[in-house]
Amino acid sequence: DGGITQSPKYLFRKEGQNVTLSCEQNLNHDAMYWYRQDPGQGLRLIYYSQIVNDFQKGDIAEGYSVSREKKESFPLTVTSAQKNPTAFYLCASSPLRSSTDTQYFGPGTRLTVL
Amino acid sequence: AQKVTQAQTEISVVEKEDVTLDCVYETRDTTYYLFWYKQPPSGELVFLIRRNSFDEQNEISGRYSWNFQKSTSSFNFTITASQVVDSAVYFCALSEASHTGFQKLVFGTGTRLLVSP
Repeated sequence: DGGITQSPKYLFRKEGQNVTLSCEQNLNHDAMYWYRQDPGQGLRLIYYSQIVNDFQKGDIAEGYSVSREKKESFPLTVTSAQKNPTAFYLCASSPLRSSTDTQYFGPGTRLTVL
Repeated sequence: AQKVTQAQTEISVVEKEDVTLDCVYETRDTTYYLFWYKQPPSGELVFLIRRNSFDEQNEISGRYSWNFQKSTSSFNFTITASQVVDSAVYFCALSEASHTGFQKLVFGTGTRLLVSP
């Protein structure tokens, strides 16, 4: 089945450690996105990528890094520079045929800093 | 700047009641797109509907209906005869048109709907 997978579902990290969240899609979508969701808040865009080997910062990129070496994969690294990393992280993808295309989301990874 | 406001933080209803979730948006663009997503307890966002700013026709899909009014910058969502399975957080979102096809979605803060038996 086509879709977006994120792993792990739950992740625990000690302060000062970097951690990488996985996002894979087999929808053949060109664009991929990372969002952060905090309780009672909407989703905020961290990074996005429209093509392999290229990506742009979103609204809250500080303390995060990404790579896009393959069309199917867009991993997010939460670095120790991120002051408040505990959150729910959602990955999404969409075609780039037109602005009417829809973003589809993965199941999310819940990161907790201990 | 674009902005989406969902003033209702949480709504509680009893099964079979109708419920309307409000969404008010702000944008300077003449062409834009509005979305509704559902987030069940599992966490994944499920796409419900997309609406083009040029199309103000209301839409009905089963028990779901959407009322788009440009005059009031609103895109409200109504669930008729609510069911327990409708319990979720619902997000309204806005994106501007782009010649590249890229979307930057701006989300509201969501409305938590609790449907009790």
